[in-house]
Amino acid sequence: EAGVAQSPRYKIIEKRQSVAFWCNPISGHATLYWYQQILGQGPKLLIQFQNNGVVDDSQLPKDRFSAERLKGVDSTLKIQPAKLEDSAVYLCASGAGQETQYFGPGTRLLVL
Amino acid sequence: SQKIEQNSEALNIQEGKTATLTCNYTNYSPAYLQWYRQDPGRGPVFLLLIRENEKEKRKERLKVTFDTTLKQSLFHITASQPADSATYLCALPGRSGGGADGLTFGKGTHLIIQP
Repeated sequence: EAGVAQSPRYKIIEKRQSVAFWCNPISGHATLYWYQQILGQGPKLLIQFQNNGVVDDSQLPKDRFSAERLKGVDSTLKIQPAKLEDSAVYLCASGAGQETQYFGPGTRLLVL
Repeated sequence: SQKIEQNSEALNIQEGKTATLTCNYTNYSPAYLQWYRQDPGRGPVFLLLIRENEKEKRKERLKVTFDTTLKQSLFHITASQPADSATYLCALPGRSGGGADGLTFGKGTHLIIQP
C-alpha cells in the first residue's frame, strides 16, 4: 500500500513570496490533516478535512494560509505572503476515520 | 488551554536497558492517547494507542501506561537497541472526544541508545 505522498520535499523562498505544497493521501482515506512542525517542536495542526469539507481550521493563520481539497482526494496548502517564521516542515497526514494517522515525509520550507 | 509536557532533553540509555519516557498533560480529559516515533527528516510513525479505560497496552518490546488521575502516560522500551534511537512524540486528540480528531503533540523526547 502506497503511503502519503508530498511534494516538493524542499523549498527555499524569500519572504513575501508565495509557496504551495501538495499532498496525496493514502487511497480511500477520507480524513486529511496538515500540520506545521517548527524545529524542536511537535507538529501543530493547521487544518483537518473530512472528504472535501473543513472539519477544523481554528489554528490556521487565515490571513496568509489557505488550503483546499476540492475533489476529496489530494490537497494543496498555500502560504501567501510568506514570513520568516513560516520556516518549518509541513506535514500531511491521512486517516481512515479511525484514530491512527499516517504521515507523509513532509515538505521542508526555508524562508529567507 | 490544553498543554502536553514531555522531557524534551535527550535521554541517553545503554543498550539492553529499559527506556522510560514520560508524557504529562493538563486541562484535558482525553478519550485516548497515542505515541509516535519520528526519525530525522521523516514524518511521525504511529506506535501505540491507549484508551482512557485502559491502564496498560503492550506491543512487542513496547509498553504504554495511562493514568487519567495523574494525567500521565509512561512509554517503555524494554531490551533497548541502538535502532530505537529516535524522537518519541506523545499526542492527544485536539478535542477531548474520540474519533478522527486532529492531534495535539508534545515537543517529543529525543532518545539515544548507546551501544
